[in-house]
Amino acid sequence: NAGVTQTPKFQVLKTGQSMTLQCAQDMNHNSMYWYRQDPGMGLRLIYYSASEGTTDKGEVPNGYNVSRLNKREFSLRLESAAPSQTSVYFCASSVQWGGGAGEQFFGPGTRLTVL
Amino acid sequence: RKEVEQDPGPFNVPEGATVAFNCTYSNSASQSFFWYRQDCRKEPKLLMSVYSSGNEDGRFTAQLNRASQYISLLIRDSKLSDSATYLCVVGTGGFKTIFGAGTRLFVKA
Repeated sequence: NAGVTQTPKFQVLKTGQSMTLQCAQDMNHNSMYWYRQDPGMGLRLIYYSASEGTTDKGEVPNGYNVSRLNKREFSLRLESAAPSQTSVYFCASSVQWGGGAGEQFFGPGTRLTVL
Repeated sequence: RKEVEQDPGPFNVPEGATVAFNCTYSNSASQSFFWYRQDCRKEPKLLMSVYSSGNEDGRFTAQLNRASQYISLLIRDSKLSDSATYLCVVGTGGFKTIFGAGTRLFVKA
């Protein structure tokens, strides 16, 4: 089992460029999440997908879009990157949806720099 | 006020020491509580869930005080390998899981 995988691991973009971060899990989890982590601020939820076919906004969704491609895959798209989106992005999954879901399993992260 | 607050540290302790971290949360309706561990430049991983009655896992003990709205983590007999950032996590129901900014621990030989 690979768990949660993310690609790419590192990315440098210029302001205004677009890109898609890919995430896949092989644990047959229903729920998937995208977080960003910035120094001193903890992880903040961008979008989540409670189950296949549904997506919802989290705490900081502006500037992002997501696609739950199937049960395994959940992608995050930056349409027009801005320097404020420089961050470390983590994808996570859990067995069931919600704050009461218990353990979330995280991918290794994508370090994104926007110049 | 942040929804989940932690002392950022760093806590510098010698091997074998006992160290305790506290975390306060603002939403009295919070339902689930966890401690995660994050190593430098790595992803967070669940250390332990926190139950109302308190729970222990080897050298680690977690406590919940709902009246005062805080949770704690006690690490006994610290090891060098315990050096990491410890994240307090609070679930308020639904999708909303709030992560604290973390407390950094350095254990020295």
